[in-house]
Amino acid sequence: SAVISQKPSRDICQRGTSLTIQCQVDSQVTMMFWYRQQPGQSLTLIATANQGSEATYESGFVIDKFPISRPNLTFSTLTVSNMSPEDSSIYLCSVRGAQETQYFGPGTRLLVL
Amino acid sequence: TQLLEQSPQFLSIQEGENLTVYCNSSSVFSSLQWYRQEPGEGPVLLVTVVTGGEVKKLKRLTFQFGDARKDSSLHITAAQPGDTGLYLCAGESGGGSNYKLTFGKGTLLTVNP
Repeated sequence: SAVISQKPSRDICQRGTSLTIQCQVDSQVTMMFWYRQQPGQSLTLIATANQGSEATYESGFVIDKFPISRPNLTFSTLTVSNMSPEDSSIYLCSVRGAQETQYFGPGTRLLVL
Repeated sequence: TQLLEQSPQFLSIQEGENLTVYCNSSSVFSSLQWYRQEPGEGPVLLVTVVTGGEVKKLKRLTFQFGDARKDSSLHITAAQPGDTGLYLCAGESGGGSNYKLTFGKGTLLTVNP
C-alpha cells in the first residue's frame, strides 16, 4: 500500500490569494494525480502530475490557474491561484501504486472567502 | 464525456436492513471500482470488478459488474452503523499515460443504530 500525506489539511483564504498544497508519498510512484471534490459533485480529475515534464490537464482546468510541480517520484504540489469562492473545495492527491491500486490522500479542505 | 450515475444519492436506514446502490453508465469501462469515503478522509478502495458478469463478495458486501461492463451494483446485507459513509463508484479507462478514473457523485449512506 501507499501512505499519502497532504499539507495543509485545511485552510481559509481570502479571494485573490494563492495556496500551495503539498503531497508526499511514502514510496516511489509513477502516476500521481490531483482531484477536486466539491459538495454534491463527483471527484473530478484536475491533472496528472508527471515527473520531469509538464502536468497533463483535464478539460476545464488550465496550468495558469492550477500550476503543478513534480520534482521527484514521491512528492508533488498543486497551487490554486488567484482564488475565488468557487474554488472552495476538497483537493485530493492520489497515486497509482503496486498492483494498479489507486490510493488517496486525506485531502485539503479549502474555504475561500 | 463518460458519466457515471449513482443512485440513490442519499440513503438512511436502520441497523440490520439490506440495501443496494447502483452505478450506471452509457460507456464501457475496462474495470469498475468501488470506494468508501469517511468524513475527513480520502476514498479507500473496496473492490475492483473487471469481467462482465463478475460478482465479488467482501464480508457483507456483494459487488456485481454488469454483463456489458457499463453498470455495477453494491449490495450490503444486514447493514451496521460502521457501514456509514460515502460510497463512490469509479470507471477505469485508457492505459499507460492515458489512464483515467471517472467517478460518480456518490451515495451517502447513514446506518442508524
